[in-house]
Amino acid sequence: EAGVAQSPRYKIIEKRQSVAFWCNPISGHATLYWYQQILGQGPKLLIQFQNNGVVDDSQLPKDRFSAERLKGVDSTLKIQPAKLEDSAVYLCASSSRLAGHNEQFFGPGTRLTVL
Amino acid sequence: GNSVTQMEGPVTLSEEAFLTINCTYTATGYPSLFWYVQYPGEGLQLLLKATKADDKGSNKGFEATYRKETTSFHLEKGSVQVSDSAVYFCALTRNQAGTALIFGKGTTLSVSS
Repeated sequence: EAGVAQSPRYKIIEKRQSVAFWCNPISGHATLYWYQQILGQGPKLLIQFQNNGVVDDSQLPKDRFSAERLKGVDSTLKIQPAKLEDSAVYLCASSSRLAGHNEQFFGPGTRLTVL
Repeated sequence: GNSVTQMEGPVTLSEEAFLTINCTYTATGYPSLFWYVQYPGEGLQLLLKATKADDKGSNKGFEATYRKETTSFHLEKGSVQVSDSAVYFCALTRNQAGTALIFGKGTTLSVSS
C-alpha cells in the first residue's frame, strides 16, 4: 500500500512570496489533515477535510493560508504572502473512517524556509 | 482545552539502559492516547496507542499505560538500542472518531553504544 505522498520535499522562498504544497493521501482515506511543525515543537493542526468538505480550520491563518481538496482526494495548501514565521515543516496525514480513525498516516513533509 | 505535556529533552542514554519519557494530558471526556516516533530523516509514524483507561499499548519493546487517575501515558522501554534514537511525540485525540491529533513538544532520545 502506497503511503501519503507530498511534494515538494523542500522549498526556500523570500518573504511576501507565494508557495503551494501538494498532498496525495492513502487511497480510500476520506479524512485528510494538514499540520504545521515549527522547529522544536509538536505538529499543530491547520485544517482537516472529510472528503472535500472542511471539518476544522479554526487554527488556519485565513488571511494568508488557504487549502482545498476539490475532488476529495489530493489536496493543496497555499501560503500567500509568506512571512518569516511560516518557516516550518508542513505535514499531511490521512485516516480512514472504516478503520475507526485509530491511526493517522503521515507523509514525509515539506520543509519550508522563508528568508 | 485539550493539551499534552511531555518531559523536556534531550534524553541521552547508553545502550541497554531503561527508558522512561513522561507524558501527561489535559482533556475533557475520554481521549485516545498515542505515541508517535520520528526517526532521523523519516516521517512521523505511530509507535503505540491506547483508547481507554487502563489499556496498555505496546510495540517494538516499548510500552505505555493509559492512566486516567493520573492523566498520564508514560513511555517505557526496558533496554534501549542505538536504533531507538529518534524524537518521540505524545499525542491525544478527543473521543470523537476522526478528530485531529494534539501533540506534545516532543522528546529527543539519543542512545550511544
